[in-house]
Amino acid sequence: DAGITQSPRYKITETGRQVTLMCHQTWSHSYMFWYRQDLGHGLRLIYYSAAADITDKGEVPDGYVVSRSKTENFPLTLESATRSQTSVYFCASSDFPSEKETQYFGPGTRLLVL
Amino acid sequence: RKEVEQDPGPFNVPEGATVAFNCTYSNSASQSFFWYRQDCRKEPKLLMSVYSSGNEDGRFTAQLNRASQYISLLIRDSKLSDSATYLCVVNRPTSGTYKYIFGTGTRLKVLA
Repeated sequence: DAGITQSPRYKITETGRQVTLMCHQTWSHSYMFWYRQDLGHGLRLIYYSAAADITDKGEVPDGYVVSRSKTENFPLTLESATRSQTSVYFCASSDFPSEKETQYFGPGTRLLVL
Repeated sequence: RKEVEQDPGPFNVPEGATVAFNCTYSNSASQSFFWYRQDCRKEPKLLMSVYSSGNEDGRFTAQLNRASQYISLLIRDSKLSDSATYLCVVNRPTSGTYKYIFGTGTRLKVLA
C-alpha cells in the first residue's frame, strides 16, 4: 500500500545498545524528517533530509545518526541508547516544494530505553 | 520563548459550541502555516493549510494575521469526534532550505 510506514512500532531496549528505527515512504517525496515527541515539548525535529544523500541536523540531533541512500528510506540510528531517548518517534515526508507543502506522518515508533 | 506558541488547554466545550484557538509565531520570515490534528497516541494529520485571505473547510475556519504574527482556528458546531490536540505548524526558510516548526498543541475536549 502507498504511504509512509515505520518499523518497529514498539521497541524496548537497554542503555548502551544500538537501535535503528526504519522509515519507508512510497510517494517519492524529496523531503523526509525524524521527530521525537515528549510530554511538554511537542514535536522536536531530530534530523531531516532534502534528498537522497543530503541530510541535516534539526533541533535535537545529539545521540542520533541518519542516512539516506535511497529516496524512499530514511533510517534513524541511536548509536548508544540512553534513558532520555525514551520517546515516541515519528517519521514524516513532504511534497515540499509544492503548492500544498503537506507533511505526512508515519504511525510512530514507541521506544523504551531501560 | 518558543518560536511557535499555543495555549496548551485543555479547552472543555459542550457539543455544538464554537471554539477558537490562537497560535503566535516569532519569526517574521515564516511563509507557510498549517493546522494539524493529533489524536491520542496517533500520528499528526493535516487539518488545513492557512492562507493569507483566510480559508474555510466545513465547520473549520483558519485565519492568518501576518502583521501580528498569529494564526487562528475556529471550530463551529463542535462534535465529540473533534476531541483531539490541535498543532500549529509554521514553515520558514533556514540555511538555504525550509523547516517546519511545531507548536506544542492545544487540547480540545468536546463534552456530551
